[in-house]
Amino acid sequence: GAVVSQHPSWVICKSGTSVKIECRSLDFQATTMFWYRQFPKQSLMLMATSNEGSKATYEQGVEKDKFLINHASLTLSTLTVTSAHPEDSSFYICSARRTSDDTQYFGPGTRLTVL
Amino acid sequence: QKEVEQNSGPLSVPEGAIASLNCTYSDRGSQSFFWYRQYSGKSPELIMSIYSNGDKEDGRFTAQLNKASQYVSLLIRDSQPSDSATYLCAVYNTDKLIFGTGTRLQVFP
Repeated sequence: GAVVSQHPSWVICKSGTSVKIECRSLDFQATTMFWYRQFPKQSLMLMATSNEGSKATYEQGVEKDKFLINHASLTLSTLTVTSAHPEDSSFYICSARRTSDDTQYFGPGTRLTVL
Repeated sequence: QKEVEQNSGPLSVPEGAIASLNCTYSDRGSQSFFWYRQYSGKSPELIMSIYSNGDKEDGRFTAQLNKASQYVSLLIRDSQPSDSATYLCAVYNTDKLIFGTGTRLQVFP
């Protein structure tokens, strides 16, 4: 099966700092990647769609200046949470859509805790 | 009406039984359908994809699609306690996956 990696798997940071999360498709090309957030016992919430070489498309209510997304290559997308606050603490999961058949594979997720 | 609907459960089945998970979707033009499994605290894992009407089998899993009724199901045969998880139905719609809220399955010994 296709593999998507995320780094780091968990991060603890102080309020006001920025955190970068990397998402890589290891064995397939992904023109499109997605970033989700999930709070405990809640559903996945799509934050943004990231297309290689172009600006990300953010879902309603997601601040694009706070959650910076870069998709510089067909295998790498990054999410930077800027000036993180405790309410940003969550489970962030990326997903990559395999270009050959549109199947979407998820990374293992990054657990962010902001103190 | 939600775009993808699932019963939240929990659905409780004894070990060895067949678990039947159901999903309905609202966009009649949808063409691609997926089932994901999510264990607590983990990210979703793809189980099955289905694109054509009928059944698709993979090991203990069978996905069923009925486009006329806008209905997708997942059957898990010989359910095991390790199958206990939340199962997410997803439908491809205008360039992104639309997820149901998931059905929590509990398989008891």
